[in-house]
Amino acid sequence: DADVTQTPRNRITKTGKRIMLECSQTKGHDRMYWYRQDPGLGLRLIYYSFDVKDINKGEISDGYSVSRQAQAKFSLSLESAIPNQTALYFCATSDSLQGGTEAFFGQGTRLTVV
Amino acid sequence: QQPVQSPQAVILREGEDAVINCSSSKALYSVHWYRQKHGEAPVFLMILLKGGEQKGHDKISASFNEKKQQSSLYLTASQLSYSGTYFCAANSGGSNYKLTFGKGTLLTVNP
Repeated sequence: DADVTQTPRNRITKTGKRIMLECSQTKGHDRMYWYRQDPGLGLRLIYYSFDVKDINKGEISDGYSVSRQAQAKFSLSLESAIPNQTALYFCATSDSLQGGTEAFFGQGTRLTVV
Repeated sequence: QQPVQSPQAVILREGEDAVINCSSSKALYSVHWYRQKHGEAPVFLMILLKGGEQKGHDKISASFNEKKQQSSLYLTASQLSYSGTYFCAANSGGSNYKLTFGKGTLLTVNP
C-alpha cells in the first residue's frame, strides 16, 4: 500500500459544486501539505499543517479550506468549485525536523471543473 | 514567493552534462531537489542544509550557497532515465517552516 494515499484519483465536477479531496498517510509524519500543480507554474502551496491543531494558509488559499481530522488525515475542500481550479492536486507529508526532511507525495488527484 | 529556477527547459543527448540553478529572495535554511516524471508524483532527490555543503549520489550532485541563497543541481553523463521535470524547494527555516517549490526545469535526454 502507498504511504500517502489520495482519493479520488480523478474527478470531474460542475461549477458551483462542493468537493472534497482526501489524503491519508501511514508515515506517522506530523506535517502535511496540499499543493496545486498547473503547467508551467510548478507546485504552489495551498495549505499546510503541523499537527491537528495547527493549520496554516499557503500562497494560494483563497477558494479552498482544509480539515486535519487526525494526524494521518488531511482533507482539502473546494466550497464552490470554479473552472480555474482545474488542476492536479498533490498531498505531501514530511517529518518535523528543523532542516526539513524528505517530503513524500501522494499520487495526485486530477480535478476538472466544468 | 517561489524560488526562481533556470533554465526553464534543457535538451540533452545521452552522455551530456547539465546544470540547473535555483535562487531565492529569502534566506534559506535548506534546499530540496525533486524530480517528477510525466503523470507521476514528485520524487525526492536530496536535501542540502545550511553550511554550504555539496551532496551527490550516482551522477547527480548539488551544491548550496546560503550566502547567495542559491543552489545548483549537476547532472553528469546524463541517461535517458534522467528525463523529467526537476524542482527545487526552499525552506526558510524556523519552527513553522514550509516548502516552497520553484516552477521547475524540464529536462529531456535524447538517445
